Amino acid sequence: DIQMTQSPTSLSASVGDRVTITCQASQDIGKYLNWYQQKPGKVPQLVIYDASTLQTGVPSRFSGSGYGTDFIFTISSLQPEDVATYYCQQCDSLPLIFGGGTKVEIK
Amino acid sequence: DVHLVQSGAEVKKPGESLKISCKASGYNFTTYWITWVRQMPGKGLEWMGIIHPDDSDTIYRGDYDTMYSPSFEGQVTISVDKSLSTVYLQWNSLKASDTGIYYCARQKGAVVNGHAEYWGQGTLVIVSS
Repeated sequence: DIQMTQSPTSLSASVGDRVTITCQASQDIGKYLNWYQQKPGKVPQLVIYDASTLQTGVPSRFSGSGYGTDFIFTISSLQPEDVATYYCQQCDSLPLIFGGGTKVEIK
Repeated sequence: DVHLVQSGAEVKKPGESLKISCKASGYNFTTYWITWVRQMPGKGLEWMGIIHPDDSDTIYRGDYDTMYSPSFEGQVTISVDKSLSTVYLQWNSLKASDTGIYYCARQKGAVVNGHAEYWGQGTLVIVSS
């Protein structure tokens, strides 16, 4: 199985800060990396798919990049409503493993 | 509008059986894979398995393409009732470690190279003696 290593496990940043989360795959997954947001007590929501494609309706302050084994998720200007746990997921091969998650909080 | 509506919360004892459901509406049910994801209390997301609700174009005619994570293979069964546009997740003998929230989600794209774009509201399963 492909392993997904996400870092950091948590972070605290101020409103307006740039936030970066990394996700590393244990083998080459090409562009097949999704990012999900799960707000406290809520259902997960797709934010980015194919490493860098923004899901319809998601604010443009969210972005993703990377290819192969190393991927980055960025919030360009953190907003209070972005408080959530973010998960990467590889979708290159079964099983479709999720990363461990990154909890984002406001300082 | 696409909707995935899951069955309500369950409280069960160890050793009991359980079948929870995910009813789809607002789209052609047989066109998209449906996946199940577990979230144990205070923990992250775990991919359980996936099923395609169309049995008319599979390797095994009359069967539904179903794939499981090795972590869940043999522990749960994913099934579908095409006539009800409903996918199920079933346990024959629950354990306390099955406690968690279970989400169904509609996968856009193929079984791989896709993404879960619509999610059910989740079903809380509590297994306790």
